[in-house]
Amino acid sequence: EPEVTQTPSHQVTQMGQEVILRCVPISNHLYFYWYRQILGQKVEFLVSFYNNEISEKSEIFDDQFSVERPDGSNFTLKIRSTKLEDSAMYFCASSQPRSYTFGSGTRLTVV
Amino acid sequence: AQSVAQPEDQVNVAEGNPLTVKCTYSVSGNPYLFWYVQYPNRGLQFLLKYITGDNLVKGSYGFEAEFNKSQTSFHLKKPSALVSDSALYFCAVSPNFGNEKLTFGTGTRLTIIP
Repeated sequence: EPEVTQTPSHQVTQMGQEVILRCVPISNHLYFYWYRQILGQKVEFLVSFYNNEISEKSEIFDDQFSVERPDGSNFTLKIRSTKLEDSAMYFCASSQPRSYTFGSGTRLTVV
Repeated sequence: AQSVAQPEDQVNVAEGNPLTVKCTYSVSGNPYLFWYVQYPNRGLQFLLKYITGDNLVKGSYGFEAEFNKSQTSFHLKKPSALVSDSALYFCAVSPNFGNEKLTFGTGTRLTIIP
């Protein structure tokens, strides 16, 4: 079964630092997503990406966030100048019609 | 815009009893509905989905869900609960399957009491 791979599984960073979360989507999927889950709470949509551009983003996805597909396989989420409230589990997902797969997540802790 | 409601934050069920975790949704057009389970400090694990066809959908670990269009519901069920079913359960909806975001409910914490 193809998987969406996320690295690292856990990252600790100091407030104000930049972090990059990495994802390798399933190779024949065309749509890519990032979601966020603050500990034990609702899973919230951040952004979707298709055809090398953002197709939709939520209110959470402000100028602090950016996404990129730098090399045709990786899909990254960059958070500039992290804040304490960015501490959460970040899930990557990829999809194509009739198939939708989540990665196992990156737990980001901002201290 | 689509939305999902999981009216119960917490559900407690005795081991061996049937369980139901409730979910109602709102979406334009035909809904695509999903259930995910999350164990402590783990990712989202797919349980089952409704795309089209039979209203009763069978999934992993003996779970099933019934799609009810008139009540806009997609309740998760299992005939006999196990202690290992204790986890956080999320219902999600999308207006399309495979090219749009999922919108999640707030989650229901299921506790199975031995």
